[in-house]
Amino acid sequence: TQLLEQSPQFLSIQEGENLTVYCNSSSVFSSLQWYRQEPGEGPVLLVTVVTGGEVKKLKRLTFQFGDARKDSSLHITAAQPGDTGLYLCAGAFHDYKLSFGAGTTVTVRA
Amino acid sequence: DTEVTQTPKHLVMGMTNKKSLKCEQHMGHRAMYWYKQKAKKPPELMFVYSYEKLSINESVPSRFSPECPNSSLLNLHLHALQPEDSALYLCASRSTLAGVYNEQFFGPGTRLTVL
Repeated sequence: TQLLEQSPQFLSIQEGENLTVYCNSSSVFSSLQWYRQEPGEGPVLLVTVVTGGEVKKLKRLTFQFGDARKDSSLHITAAQPGDTGLYLCAGAFHDYKLSFGAGTTVTVRA
Repeated sequence: DTEVTQTPKHLVMGMTNKKSLKCEQHMGHRAMYWYKQKAKKPPELMFVYSYEKLSINESVPSRFSPECPNSSLLNLHLHALQPEDSALYLCASRSTLAGVYNEQFFGPGTRLTVL
């Protein structure tokens, strides 16, 4: 059972364009993480959001956590080829298991 | 040191072989995880160790046998695997300190191919 709906599944854009990835659930999470994963490598933690309504910025990446702590978005401004990868959102429950979204494969063409 | 290491990087084994995957972290984390990941899919949880004791087994077949020799090490013993077990196997660790949120740090993975 996928508790987190992540969209879109695939994104292919030109260098310099913006993109947004969405993560939605009917469940409330204690925290939500975003990871980026390159082929053949492990996921790398980008950010953790905890508070409803929270906005965090990491250079060209902006992360938002919904007021009800059920949804989140990742926005990339002026995407670069180095942003290419699989983006995963993961919500945390009290038993410390993570519920992953299905992932968004982002390709940024030079 | 915020790194989780895994060895080997790649492993090819026959269905009758016995092999082991190793994971190590020196962040003082007392929760460690094994995941299995197929291409372009999210990681699937296999096992969770908390304070060196197995706390979660996600109905994993007995041909996978985890072991946690100490707080820094996690092993996954493999025996009589099937070709469909070919995947990227990921290890992760998490702090159990109060007030620290469920941030899991992943290793680079072992790419396993079963022939």
